[in-house]
Amino acid sequence: NAGVIQTPRHKVTGKGQEATLWCEPISGHSAVFWYRQTIVQGLEFLTYFRNQAPIDDSGMPKERFSAQMPNQSHSTLKIQSTQPQDSAVYLCASSLVGASAETLYFGSGTRLTVL
Amino acid sequence: GEQVEQLPSILRVQEGSSASINCSYEDSASNYFPWYKQEPGENPKLIIDIRSNMERKQIQELIVLLDKKAKRFSLHITDTQPGDSAMYFCAASRASGGSNYKLTFGKGTLLTVTP
Repeated sequence: NAGVIQTPRHKVTGKGQEATLWCEPISGHSAVFWYRQTIVQGLEFLTYFRNQAPIDDSGMPKERFSAQMPNQSHSTLKIQSTQPQDSAVYLCASSLVGASAETLYFGSGTRLTVL
Repeated sequence: GEQVEQLPSILRVQEGSSASINCSYEDSASNYFPWYKQEPGENPKLIIDIRSNMERKQIQELIVLLDKKAKRFSLHITDTQPGDSAMYFCAASRASGGSNYKLTFGKGTLLTVTP
């Protein structure tokens, strides 16, 4: 079991460019979460999917952020027109549905730097 | 939505002593309280959790206490070792068997254990 896989590990974009981050959850995990980590704000919830359906996107900045889960094996987080304040580590996590559903297994994250 | 406050943000202790981290939450419906440890360059990993039907839980040197009336919970690390040095996050959610709910995290405590 390779755990949650996130690619790329590092991404550098220029202001105004688009960034797409990828996440492959643990096989068999039906819930996928996206969090953003910064020193100032800590771990901020962005959005989550259960069985590929969006359940709660209350943490997503509405205008430039979007997330999708087209199949059970991957999810994407897209940031349009990136801004320097989007610089952060973006963490994807997955969990089971059912017993022990609460435990999140985090990936190693994508460090996004917007110049 | 839920808000979780975590203190202190920085904690330095001497090897062999105890370390305590305190968290408070706002949503009285929260019933699941995990603690995650994040070592430098690594992803957060669950180390211990407690549900609202318990007041105390211990796994080896880790003790968590929950005071539902005060809406506070805490992590105590006894006999700290240099390997305990890391960032620690508390979190809260309204978890329910078979369902997934988002975790709301505190902003983290950077623990340093000095020899």
